[in-house]
Amino acid sequence: SQKIEQNSEALNIQEGKTATLTCNYTNYSPAYLQWYRQDPGRGPVFLLLIRENEKEKRKERLKVTFDTTLKQSLFHITASQPADSATYLCALDMTTDSWGKLQFGAGTQVVVTP
Amino acid sequence: DTAVSQTPKYLVTQMGNDKSIKCEQNLGHDTMYWYKQDSKKFLKIMFSYNNKELIINETVPNRFSPKSPDKAHLNLHINSLELGDSAVYFCASSPYRGSTEAFFGQGTRLTVV
Repeated sequence: SQKIEQNSEALNIQEGKTATLTCNYTNYSPAYLQWYRQDPGRGPVFLLLIRENEKEKRKERLKVTFDTTLKQSLFHITASQPADSATYLCALDMTTDSWGKLQFGAGTQVVVTP
Repeated sequence: DTAVSQTPKYLVTQMGNDKSIKCEQNLGHDTMYWYKQDSKKFLKIMFSYNNKELIINETVPNRFSPKSPDKAHLNLHINSLELGDSAVYFCASSPYRGSTEAFFGQGTRLTVV
């Protein structure tokens, strides 16, 4: 089965800086990879999706890259704000028949200080 | 206005009891899911239904039984609860089978004592 690794240590970053999170996987490259945000006591909220044939995707201050050779996705939050403090999860589609079966990483906590 | 709503938000019960968690989505989506998030924060898929049809059934004890009376509802019934069932259970939905993003409910924190 797929193993997904995200930095387990919290990422502490100063407001205004860029936060970069890593998601590594071990086996086959998924059809697409997603990033979610989870706040304490809440369900994950979808942020971005990137397909295997895409190198980069942007949405406002968020940027995701996908390198199928390295089996890695990077998630960037530019001009970070305290409101960006949350846990960020990457999720891979596990199936080849598009059943939408997602496998999640454990997430990386981001703490943005003023 | 809540897109995916679960009830109850908190559930504390004794070992051996039977309990249900309800989920409803008002997004008109075809596909619904149950995920379990354990103490280590890993989210693991348990079940998925598409238009009331079971399409994903992971290795879950048969004490867990999902039921989808219609495509807007997916309930989870758990028999003979065990301590290890303590976790946060999330319901989610997607527009259609194999679609991209999932919309999650706020979760149900189940504590078995």
